[in-house]
Amino acid sequence: GAGVSQTPSNKVTEKGKYVELRCDPISGHTALYWYRQSLGQGPEFLIYFQGTGAADDSGLPNDRFFAVRPEGSVSTLKIQRTERGDSAVYLCASSLTRGLSHNEQFFGPGTRLTVL
Amino acid sequence: QKEVEQNSGPLSVPEGAIASLNCTYSDRGSQSFFWYRQYSGKSPELIMFIYSNGDKEDGRFTAQLNKASQYVSLLIRDSQPSDSATYLCAVNNYKLSFGAGTTVTVRA
Repeated sequence: GAGVSQTPSNKVTEKGKYVELRCDPISGHTALYWYRQSLGQGPEFLIYFQGTGAADDSGLPNDRFFAVRPEGSVSTLKIQRTERGDSAVYLCASSLTRGLSHNEQFFGPGTRLTVL
Repeated sequence: QKEVEQNSGPLSVPEGAIASLNCTYSDRGSQSFFWYRQYSGKSPELIMFIYSNGDKEDGRFTAQLNKASQYVSLLIRDSQPSDSATYLCAVNNYKLSFGAGTTVTVRA
């Protein structure tokens, strides 16, 4: 079956612009996560959805970042007034449920965001 | 102190040797631990998880967990050039907390 998909694969924007990054999780996966990975670092947690609601948004760096998952499937990460420091690979992951302590999270290919 | 720390790399091993990767974590209440492999320009892929003290073997990979020492390791036996990648240790508290990764190069 299809894995996690993310669009676009690459996004180049100018400082101050608004961007949207899309994630389509594996069908039937109720849990969805966004991470951000900077060069030479491991992924850093941003936000977690269980169904339609954001269960934990403690990783969002500031109020320029917002994410939605209105129908409990596709999610969109929105970044307002982009800054050069937002440049990174944004990874989306999904899992069947958060109930199991060792539930596997499957990662999408990521969106490479470059803010000029 | 970072939540998850990995031994600094890069690690270079000859083909056929054992690669040893180490990871320590700060949250004593953590229950499960993942090892992900990430090839350059690709997303992380899960290779092993462990949640009980002791060893867990899967093919050429062995994960070791010592909760008292807050220590997780990964051994790669009979290393192959295709094992060349960055290995990420992650602590799973429903959200994953990753280390910075250790880059392994297997020399043919």
